[in-house]
Amino acid sequence: NAGVTQTPKFQVLKTGQSMTLQCAQDMNHEYMSWYRQDPGMGLRLIHYSVGAGITDQGEVPNGYNVSRSTTEDFPLRLLSAAPSQTSVYFCASSQARGGKNIQYFGAGTRLSVL
Amino acid sequence: KNQVEQSPQSLIILEGKNCTLQCNYTVSPFSNLRWYKQDTGRGPVSLTIMTFSENTKSNGRYTATLDADTKQSSLHITASQLSDSASYICVVSAKGNAGKSTFGDGTTLTVKP
Repeated sequence: NAGVTQTPKFQVLKTGQSMTLQCAQDMNHEYMSWYRQDPGMGLRLIHYSVGAGITDQGEVPNGYNVSRSTTEDFPLRLLSAAPSQTSVYFCASSQARGGKNIQYFGAGTRLSVL
Repeated sequence: KNQVEQSPQSLIILEGKNCTLQCNYTVSPFSNLRWYKQDTGRGPVSLTIMTFSENTKSNGRYTATLDADTKQSSLHITASQLSDSASYICVVSAKGNAGKSTFGDGTTLTVKP
């Protein structure tokens, strides 16, 4: 199993550009989520999905869109990139949300917005 | 507001020594507490998960303890190795509210030879 795969690993954008961060998991997990990690801060939840066709906002959703058309894929879209969105983005998946379900994280996408 | 505070912010120890990392939280109602290890440039990896009724949980040289009354947890690393150099993150989840999780800022551990 590959686990959770994120692409690209690195990306540089100009202010105002849009892009999609890809996330795929091969563990048949229902719950998937996107986090951002800024220097010296804990991970913050952007959006999450409890199953195909179901998404919801997390703690810091502004400027980001998600969709979940399949169990495997959970892309994160930046609509109009801003320097404040410079961060490391992590996708994670687990069998379900909460309880003793182990979350598996991808290796991250390092995004710089100039 | 639910908070998770970790201490120390950073720690340097010599290889072979033991160390203890602390996590204090105000998340309520409590569901579970997790410790993750995050190597530089990688995603977090789960070390332990503890629910309200569990006082201690081990994973190899890592032992986590939980005191739900004082809302404190610790992660003890025994006989440290160079590969233990990483950031250690405490995450506390609440009951209800779809299991919202609050992440600590992490403790950066450096193990020197």
